[in-house]
Amino acid sequence: DQQVKQNSPSLSVQEGRISILNCDYTNSMFDYFLWYKKYPAEGPTFLISISSIKDKNEDGRFTVFLNKSAKHLSLHIVPSQPGDSAVYFCAASANNDMRFGAGTRLTVKP
Amino acid sequence: KAGVTQTPRYLIKTRGQQVTLSCSPISGHRSVSWYQQTPGQGLQFLFEYFSETQRNKGNFPGRFSGRQFSNSRSEMNVSTLELGDSALYLCASSTDPQGLNEKLFFGSGTQLSVL
Repeated sequence: DQQVKQNSPSLSVQEGRISILNCDYTNSMFDYFLWYKKYPAEGPTFLISISSIKDKNEDGRFTVFLNKSAKHLSLHIVPSQPGDSAVYFCAASANNDMRFGAGTRLTVKP
Repeated sequence: KAGVTQTPRYLIKTRGQQVTLSCSPISGHRSVSWYQQTPGQGLQFLFEYFSETQRNKGNFPGRFSGRQFSNSRSEMNVSTLELGDSALYLCASSTDPQGLNEKLFFGSGTQLSVL
């Protein structure tokens, strides 16, 4: 069962604009949420995370928002750069168990 | 510090065979997780090991098994391979998911093709 869902398989934005990637989860036991970025032929790399006690975490151009009541989180990238083009995976964790979404392929056009 | 190392990088097998994949975690990391990545399915959780014990298991058939050694290195085995097992198998390590540092560090994966 897909406990973590990324409903948009792809997203295309213009360089300099904002990229918004969305993620929904079903398990209310998840208490830690992460975003990973993956380039072809490489493993995913950690990008940013947020604990369930917060609703926002910011790191440079990347901000993650968490809406626990809606079981929804989003990743904002601003401004978007061509080097941000990759597959982004949303992940949620509880009790040593981390589950991932199917990923969203972001393309940032120059 | 060396990253997570997975071997082999590529593997071609035929249906019915079995395969063993290896993962060496980052030094000091005691938790090792395995994931299967297929197009459209994202990363599907296989299992997680800590101190040689399997702590969590995903929804995969019994043909998929794993183990962890005392030095935290891990192997996963797939028996009686099926065409649908063709995927990128990713290993990830962390210090301990129960701690504050819950992020996983991934290897580059083993690309398995079943013909």
